Amino acid sequence: QQQVKQSPQSLIVQKGGISIINCAYENTAFDYFPWYQQFPGKGPALLIAIRPDVSEKKEGRFTISFNKSAKQFSLHIMDSQPGDSATYFCAASISGTYKYIFGTGTRLKVLA
Amino acid sequence: DAMVIQNPRYQVTQFGKPVTLSCSQTLNHNVMYWYQQKSSQAPKLLFHYYDKDFNNEADTPDNFQSRRPNTSFCFLDIRSPGLGDAAMYLCATSRDRANQPQHFGDGTRLSIL
Repeated sequence: QQQVKQSPQSLIVQKGGISIINCAYENTAFDYFPWYQQFPGKGPALLIAIRPDVSEKKEGRFTISFNKSAKQFSLHIMDSQPGDSATYFCAASISGTYKYIFGTGTRLKVLA
Repeated sequence: DAMVIQNPRYQVTQFGKPVTLSCSQTLNHNVMYWYQQKSSQAPKLLFHYYDKDFNNEADTPDNFQSRRPNTSFCFLDIRSPGLGDAAMYLCATSRDRANQPQHFGDGTRLSIL
């Protein structure tokens, strides 16, 4: 299965709260998992990425948690800010290939 | 800053009138991609170049063509745009195929009259 299932479709969080977006996959050949942030009218921008040999990666307020046995990975945004309001896409790819399989996206709104 | 630059940002064309979108990169990356993104959807890969080698996705319509005259530039040609081709077109680059991050431009918003 080449799909990456992303949830929720939309998310509303209060300023200062934690935003959590989840993705699940079936293909165990996936070995690179980036997260992208996209603002309206802009291209996706790489936020953070993880490979399956680690269970967690943190960059500033953004953390990826990776559960290889469950074939799930999630993005946590700590201390969410109104400026984080955007659409977030998870993706997966297979080593040596060119293609990202994107999740369906999560529209995050952080209330001031 | 090293960037992926797409021109124009907005393009309006008439139904059936050919249109060309352009992308340039200063990253000196080997791979360039073209994606189509419709409202509230994930980007959909149309094709990519690894250096000069062109790779078409199986479900990309024949109406879409691409050219890469050199490392820095890549063009998307839509030969006879239909109303269903109205979308954001995104160009991206990566250093090579082996699980490198893709760097996206800000896209060209194509409208069809």
